Amino acid sequence: AQKVTQAQTEISVVEKEDVTLDCVYETRDTTYYLFWYKQPPSGELVFLIRRNSFDEQNEISGRYSWNFQKSTSSFNFTITASQVVDSAVYFCALSEEGDFGNEKLTFGTGTRLTIIP
Amino acid sequence: EPEVTQTPSHQVTQMGQEVILRCVPISNHLYFYWYRQILGQKVEFLVSFYNNEISEKSEIFDDQFSVERPDGSNFTLKIRSTKLEDSAMYFCASQVNEQFFGPGTRLTVL
Repeated sequence: AQKVTQAQTEISVVEKEDVTLDCVYETRDTTYYLFWYKQPPSGELVFLIRRNSFDEQNEISGRYSWNFQKSTSSFNFTITASQVVDSAVYFCALSEEGDFGNEKLTFGTGTRLTIIP
Repeated sequence: EPEVTQTPSHQVTQMGQEVILRCVPISNHLYFYWYRQILGQKVEFLVSFYNNEISEKSEIFDDQFSVERPDGSNFTLKIRSTKLEDSAMYFCASQVNEQFFGPGTRLTVL
């Protein structure tokens, strides 16, 4: 069975600091996908990244970066120079491809990030 | 930019009543999903739908739940007889590569 663990339930940092959100996953499949979603106070789920299990290259998108390490089953997310607008709950998720190409997402419990002005 | 839409944004109902939550997925997407999030908790998978039938469902998705794509654009989730514990945010998602989520419907069962 799949499992995603986000051990940090809440993090607070002062604006402009860097912050890393941890994600550890468990799966028996060799082909799987990892995701990060942002849930701002308004409640919607905003897609940030999808990464497949064969691509271990780190990715950077503006102030966001992701570190995928298969050896430790981790997919950590770093925000550089944090801003107040980054305040949200961040969910890490894992999917395995289903028989029909569908991807059932298993979410972690989320990390509530608060950026203090 | 295309987006997933959901109606209503908030639904209040009495226990035992039927509710239908509606979603319009992104038009060229092939896979459709419902998830729910009880307040303050993680997002949980309910059901996936492909080629006009359920492709996978979770233990939560019991006989009280059903899904339908009646007209090629809408994708609905019906809860036949609501219980207090069905109170949650319900998210619809559609997918080609990554899943894009709608804004959610907050269901409150009194």
